[in-house]
Formats: sequence, C-alpha cells, structure tokens
Amino acid sequence: ETGVTQTPRHLVMGMTNKKSLKCEQHLGHNAMYWYKQSAKKPLELMFVYNFKEQTENNSVPSRFSPECPNSSHLFLHLHTLQPEDSALYLCASSQLGTSTEAFFGQGTRLTVV
Amino acid sequence: AQSVSQHNHHVILSEAASLELGCNYSYGGTVNLFWYVQYPGQHLQLLLKYFSGDPLVKGIKGFEAEFIKSKFSFNLRKPSVQWSDTAEYFCAVGGYQKVTFGIGTKLQVIP
Repeated sequence: ETGVTQTPRHLVMGMTNKKSLKCEQHLGHNAMYWYKQSAKKPLELMFVYNFKEQTENNSVPSRFSPECPNSSHLFLHLHTLQPEDSALYLCASSQLGTSTEAFFGQGTRLTVV
Repeated sequence: AQSVSQHNHHVILSEAASLELGCNYSYGGTVNLFWYVQYPGQHLQLLLKYFSGDPLVKGIKGFEAEFIKSKFSFNLRKPSVQWSDTAEYFCAVGGYQKVTFGIGTKLQVIP
C-alpha cells in the first residue's frame, strides 16, 4: 500500500466507449501526475497538477481529459480511444517544495478493443 | 529543461556479478534525485533518494548511488546482484514543479 489508490485495476473498453480512471492519494500531497507506461516505451508523463491547477500537458491527445477537483483526487476521462492507447496508466503524487519523491499507485491496465 | 538520461536499456547479468546503471540529469536548480524499481507485476517503488549531504546514498536491498555534481550523474550500484533483483529500474530528478523519469533499464539476472 503506497497511499495512492487507483481504480479500476483493469479496464477493457471499446473505441466508442467513455470511461474514467480514478486516483486518490491519502498522503496530503500537493501535486498529482498521470503517466502512461507502454511495453517497450519509456514512462511517459501525461499531465501534472500542482495545487489542483494543471501545470503540464505533454501534447496528450484530447481524447484524454484530466480532472482534478481537489488536491486528493485525480481523474482521467477517456473517450473514443484507439487500440494503441492500451497501456498501464499510473497515477502518482508528491509534495512539492519539500520532498519531491513521487509515490505511485498500482496502475490501471487499460485495453482498448 | 528538466531531463533524465539512462544509458543502458537492457542489462543481463549472472548472479553475484556487480551492477552499475548509468544516469545523467539536466536541471538548473536544486536537484533531488531518485532511483525507483518496478518488479514484475508490481508498482513503482522508491529504491533510494538524494536530497543533500553525503553524495553516496545507500538504499534498500544493498543498492547505493553516488551523486557526482560535476558530471550531473547519479549512477546506481550493487556489488553482487541476486536473481530477485530482476526488475526495471528508473532514475528520476525532482525539481520545483515535477518529477521527471528516465526511460528505464530492464535488469535480468540469470541464476
């Protein structure tokens, strides 16, 4: 248990579906991240939120839409995805300004069919 | 810009061999450096970290890393690897705004 919880752990969705990934951190951190981990590719930073404000969007396609309603919760809304979007989506949190160590959730294994 | 470069993408070693994984970073401010490990089927977890002080940092499971400021490096070492060290290792740099990860190095230890 890392203090960062992601749901669901596994998700299979069709290309026309709409789904959401959820992340919750119980560590009191002020920054949250979405990463994409694909086979044979580097860990890709997708979005960064500092104090609920989005501070980075690494050219992520608009079919991925993040939402950060408060500093403890982070969502990734998915719609009209492509098969190449199948990957492990990791959420992380950190406390900026003091220790920037990132704590990761278990990830959501997404399969787009 | 904040970036991390890991030079070895896939390393294969026999048990008891020594390990050194290279990591170079780029960041203009005060830097925090990390090594994370991801065992097969598990989440990323912290192996060790450097914030300040002694540049030789000791982590869990016999791993250590040395921060060399003049070389912008933070290489990971272990004198004698075990089969259970088979995993993917990520170097990371933490700046004011975010944590940036390297591409990762897959380590395979052969019994």
